Amino acid sequence: DGGITQSPKYLFRKEGQNVTLSCEQNLNHDAMYWYRQDPGQGLRLIYYSQIVNDFQKGDIAEGYSVSREKKESFPLTVTSAQKNPTAFYLCASSAILLREPLNTEAFFGQGTRLTVV
Amino acid sequence: KNQVEQSPQSLIILEGKNCTLQCNYTVSPFSNLRWYKQDTGRGPVSLTIMTFSENTKSNGRYTATLDADTKQSSLHITASQLSDSASYICVVSRASGGSYIPTFGRGTSLIVHP
Repeated sequence: DGGITQSPKYLFRKEGQNVTLSCEQNLNHDAMYWYRQDPGQGLRLIYYSQIVNDFQKGDIAEGYSVSREKKESFPLTVTSAQKNPTAFYLCASSAILLREPLNTEAFFGQGTRLTVV
Repeated sequence: KNQVEQSPQSLIILEGKNCTLQCNYTVSPFSNLRWYKQDTGRGPVSLTIMTFSENTKSNGRYTATLDADTKQSSLHITASQLSDSASYICVVSRASGGSYIPTFGRGTSLIVHP
């Protein structure tokens, strides 16, 4: 089945540690995104990538890093520089076709809940 | 600045009743508007999508409207069910450099009571 998979579902991190969240998709989508969701807040864009080996900062990129070495994978590293990392993290992917905007639906993973202890 | 504002922030209704959620946006240039349903602890799932030329779209008991002139959209839920309890998120995409960048609203939290 085609889809987008995030792992792990729950993650605990000690202060001062880096941690990497996994995101894999087999939808053959070019674009992938990482969002952060806090209680009572909308999704905020951390990073996005339109093509392999290229990515751009979103609205809240500080303290995070990403890589896009393969089309299927877009891992997010939460570094120790992120002052308030406890949140629900969502990965998404979408096709990019300039002449077909109806294909711009973002498909989401099930999310990773990160807690700093 | 590209923004999406949703109201109300939360809503409680009785099972079987109708309700309407609002979305105002300033995203430009406008490409399309989607409504997503997000169950607690899960990723959002698309309900409807509308482009500039469409002003209404239905998906079962969900009906979305779009007024591109006033930059407003609404999501109407008919005969609500307990399973409708979720967060409803309005997402407006803009075209940018050959791709489409979505901007998310904060969502409306809907609780349906029996």
